[in-house]
Amino acid sequence: GAVVSQHPSRVICKSGTSVKIECRSLDFQATTMFWYRQFPKQSLMLMATSNEGSKATYEQGVEKDKFLINHASLTLSTLTVTSAHPEDSSFYICSASLQDFYGTQYFGPGTRLLVL
Amino acid sequence: SQQGEEDPQALSIQEGENATMNCSYKTSINNLQWYRQNSGRGLVHLILIRSNEREKHSGRLRVTLDTSKKSSSLLITASRAADTASYFCAPTTDANRLAFGKGNQVVVIP
Repeated sequence: GAVVSQHPSRVICKSGTSVKIECRSLDFQATTMFWYRQFPKQSLMLMATSNEGSKATYEQGVEKDKFLINHASLTLSTLTVTSAHPEDSSFYICSASLQDFYGTQYFGPGTRLLVL
Repeated sequence: SQQGEEDPQALSIQEGENATMNCSYKTSINNLQWYRQNSGRGLVHLILIRSNEREKHSGRLRVTLDTSKKSSSLLITASRAADTASYFCAPTTDANRLAFGKGNQVVVIP
């Protein structure tokens, strides 16, 4: 149980285009999902917390107009990288919280974005 | 939020040996979690230890927590090639926010 999927797993796009990444909890409902960004050999940096039915909470330094997050249902959150630039190239990982006492998070397999 | 700091950052061992990695943090925690990440993949939750626990086991994993020293250790016994991965600790003060360190890169040589 507690499986989280991401789509696509890998995407290459031209500079200036927008890219949408989906995060789905397959066998549980997640009122809270998280989006992380990871550079090679670096830690995961939390970008934003996505709550179903409300606006996402962004971490300091993360542009909300650049990284649009929509959590329209209890099983789906999307991250849209708008007007992507090469510096947005990274590994994006989502997680979904089980809402148990400890907020255990289950992670998706990640999406590798390359902006040319 | 605080980050965990793992030590050593890279570890190379022979298959069958034990692997030990440490994590230090700076402020009081609610719990501390360990995750594994295979290259280019998402994270897998390994084990959670609560602030009032001192040791916890899960299969070949053993986690200790010393809140007086603000440190935790993860021991993998009888390592296997499949254990090759990065291991992250995430000290947690808020149940919904994980603060990851840079991770330990463990390589198990067959």
